[in-house]
Amino acid sequence: DVKVTQSSRYLVKRTGEKVFLECVQDMDHENMFWYRQDPGLGLRLIYFSYDVKMKEKGDIPEGYSVSREKKERFSLILESASTNQTSMYLCASSFPGSSYNSPLHFGNGTRLTVT
Amino acid sequence: GDSVTQMEGPVTLSEEAFLTINCTYTATGYPSLFWYVQYPGEGLQLLLKATKADDKGSNKGFEATYRKETTSFHLEKGSVQVSDSAVYFCALSDRDSSASKIIFGSGTRLSIRP
Repeated sequence: DVKVTQSSRYLVKRTGEKVFLECVQDMDHENMFWYRQDPGLGLRLIYFSYDVKMKEKGDIPEGYSVSREKKERFSLILESASTNQTSMYLCASSFPGSSYNSPLHFGNGTRLTVT
Repeated sequence: GDSVTQMEGPVTLSEEAFLTINCTYTATGYPSLFWYVQYPGEGLQLLLKATKADDKGSNKGFEATYRKETTSFHLEKGSVQVSDSAVYFCALSDRDSSASKIIFGSGTRLSIRP
């Protein structure tokens, strides 16, 4: 089975801190994604990556950046955390190709609280 | 643009009840349709999928039929169990598009009473 591991289940950070959320997958997937999940809004795509050192903006990239130095690892960075970034963050991965043939595999999420 | 609308939750049912979670979509092309499920404390996982009109996706007793004429993909189960308590997400993507083009609904929380 594919395993997508997010390094922290819960994080509490202060406003203005730099925050790193780490994600590792063990199935050699080319595609990796960061979503945030908020009640009533579903999942919104922040950034994604199709290959090492490649990144593309999703629907809500403002206030975030990403890093993909190795194929298996995709990091989400909050340069200066703000309270409106309090949310559940989900990492996902997939093989290349159409979403029909390559469903997303998700980690268990990191619940971030910014105070 | 493309969008997905799900019935709002929470939905609370007794064990062995019949379940329907409504999902309708708006798309300019011919999308593939999905249901993902998120159990408590876990990430999302694919439950079922369908790629063209009249296709029926099924898994774990759940079913959904791709209805192009009503732009719907309602999730159904004949007899729910306590273990089905979870949040269910309807999603679509343009056929043959990259995985990044998946659009999710807002999710429906389902609670099953013993």
